[in-house]
Amino acid sequence: KQEVTQIPAALSVPEGENLVLNCSFTDSAIYNLQWFRQDPGKGLTSLLLIQSSQREQTSGRLNASLDKSSGRSTLYIAASQPGDSATYLCAVIPGAGKSTFGDGTTLTVKP
Amino acid sequence: SAVISQKPSRDICQRGTSLTIQCQVDSQVTMMFWYRQQPGQSLTLIATANQGSEATYESGFVIDKFPISRPNLTFSTLTVSNMSPEDSSIYLCSVDSSGTSYNEQFFGPGTRLTVL
Repeated sequence: KQEVTQIPAALSVPEGENLVLNCSFTDSAIYNLQWFRQDPGKGLTSLLLIQSSQREQTSGRLNASLDKSSGRSTLYIAASQPGDSATYLCAVIPGAGKSTFGDGTTLTVKP
Repeated sequence: SAVISQKPSRDICQRGTSLTIQCQVDSQVTMMFWYRQQPGQSLTLIATANQGSEATYESGFVIDKFPISRPNLTFSTLTVSNMSPEDSSIYLCSVDSSGTSYNEQFFGPGTRLTVL
């Protein structure tokens, strides 16, 4: 059974800092890995999708990496802003069957 | 990408009543997913809804409590029946880009349900 862990559970940084969020998974037989952002009480917004054959994806200030062999993915946020404050979730998507979500990292960026 | 809308966005309901949540997608999709997110927790899959067949429920979820309809390729409803305060959650509709090699998942804005 796939298990997904996100560390830390919460993170507070001053504006402008670069930061890294971590996602680890126990079964390396994944198809894709996806990072989401969730604002309080809202739905999930897709940030980046990394296919299993890829090692990283970039979108603006966001960069996500994937190391299947070690069961890890990281989400790097450059030059953080208060508007980045949200909960960030990673999801492991298998070739068949349901996705497995981590519990998320709640990020607070202080002005 | 897919654009997903949900109705209602939030509701406050009395114990013992039922609420039907609607999910509309701007494109035809094979599978639609219903998730529950209890306060402070991550997402739990309730069921997968395919058009033209019965929904497939995950362990711990039953059709009598969470009946689902899927009348066409762009629409689905989830009913939360005989509600109790433990049903207070955000309910999320999701689709994926199956039919491509990506399987990227997209979510609706969620329905925030409070049961008194």
